[in-house]
Amino acid sequence: QQQVKQSPQSLIVQKGGISIINCAYENTAFDYFPWYQQFPGKGPALLIAIRPDVSEKKEGRFTISFNKSAKQFSLHIMDSQPGDSATYFCTPSGNTPLVFGKGTRLSVIA
Amino acid sequence: KAGVTQTPRYLIKTRGQQVTLSCSPISGHRSVSWYQQTPGQGLQFLFEYFSETQRNKGNFPGRFSGRQFSNSRSEMNVSTLELGDSALYLCASSLGQGIHGYTFGSGTRLTVV
Repeated sequence: QQQVKQSPQSLIVQKGGISIINCAYENTAFDYFPWYQQFPGKGPALLIAIRPDVSEKKEGRFTISFNKSAKQFSLHIMDSQPGDSATYFCTPSGNTPLVFGKGTRLSVIA
Repeated sequence: KAGVTQTPRYLIKTRGQQVTLSCSPISGHRSVSWYQQTPGQGLQFLFEYFSETQRNKGNFPGRFSGRQFSNSRSEMNVSTLELGDSALYLCASSLGQGIHGYTFGSGTRLTVV
């Protein structure tokens, strides 16, 4: 489990603001870098993912930035909305089971 | 298309009993993984099955076991339940390991009293 370190553990953002969550990993064999979003009472859902051959991927308000040399990747949520309030997990993987960080609890307040 | 179905959704058991949880993956998905989620330990990997074979196993005691059937449906069993086994048990399916992304079910909430 210590292969993945996620920060911050919790985050409060004003509606319309930018939410940034960071993930650091150790295993250089990882070659798939997803973020999962989990709402209370539900299982995690794949939000966005990136492969190591690109440094950034954007899908709507969600962007992943990837820094291979630093072994870090981050999730940026632009124009954060109250509906984005959830727990976010980075789960780098390769030919291995998903490794979950501790998660970041995001609260977007109006 | 139908998502990952886990049954039952809620379960209350007594210490010392055993329990079996079921997971039906998305049609066509052959990989099924199980995770335990608790407030203290977060999401921890239990085991993964692909084509009826266990491919990976997490660091859990032998009381936790699982299997996968020829139709890719999977079950996990916990014997001699302990209070600490109270958790949300999540099943995830994918076409293959890791690369294709996982789809999670809503989980089974197990409470051991």
